[in-house]
Amino acid sequence: DTEVTQTPKHLVMGMTNKKSLKCEQHMGHRAMYWYKQKAKKPPELMFVYSYEKLSINESVPSRFSPECPNSSLLNLHLHALQPEDSALYLCASSQVPVYEQYFGPGTRLTVT
Amino acid sequence: AQTVTQSQPEMSVQEAETVTLSCTYDTSESDYYLFWYKQPPSRQMILVIRQEAYKQQNATENRFSVNFQKAAKSFSLKISDSQLGDAAMYFCAYRSANNQGGKLIFGQGTELSVKP
Repeated sequence: DTEVTQTPKHLVMGMTNKKSLKCEQHMGHRAMYWYKQKAKKPPELMFVYSYEKLSINESVPSRFSPECPNSSLLNLHLHALQPEDSALYLCASSQVPVYEQYFGPGTRLTVT
Repeated sequence: AQTVTQSQPEMSVQEAETVTLSCTYDTSESDYYLFWYKQPPSRQMILVIRQEAYKQQNATENRFSVNFQKAAKSFSLKISDSQLGDAAMYFCAYRSANNQGGKLIFGQGTELSVKP
């Protein structure tokens, strides 16, 4: 029932690893978002891409590196993460101008 | 800066009954959008209902309806004929109509449980 897909569903990584999260949508949306969500808390915006260009970076540490290769794909590259980065990472997309955002199921990240 | 407040961290409702979740917001803007999102346990967040500030008529989606009071800056969600599948975390969210980046401002959420 989702048109925003995210892979992998779960990821466990060490603090020295490099990994990537992937998000894909086929709704023709031109805005895509990365959020971080801790348990029973609201999502926290990390990045916004509009027309494949980074439009918002909410002062996210450089160990998180977003990439938008095309209008359907959004990646989040992870490097040298800390245990406190363990969270659910949500991707979302929307039309431009923006109305509602559609969320993916998320990637559950655990940093050991 | 805009803020969104959900004053009820937890709510409970009996199956088939009606429950109302509260949300208030603070803004100096006149044009904006309000949303209710539902996030069931370990499942993805889905949009429940949307309200445009310029519309006086309250939005409805099947068993879900809102009471939008613009002057009072209140945006409550009413769930009628509650079902077990309604159990979830509910987030109220605000977005400025002037914000082309689409940034959503979320409330802290209300965890709704449904008793059979």
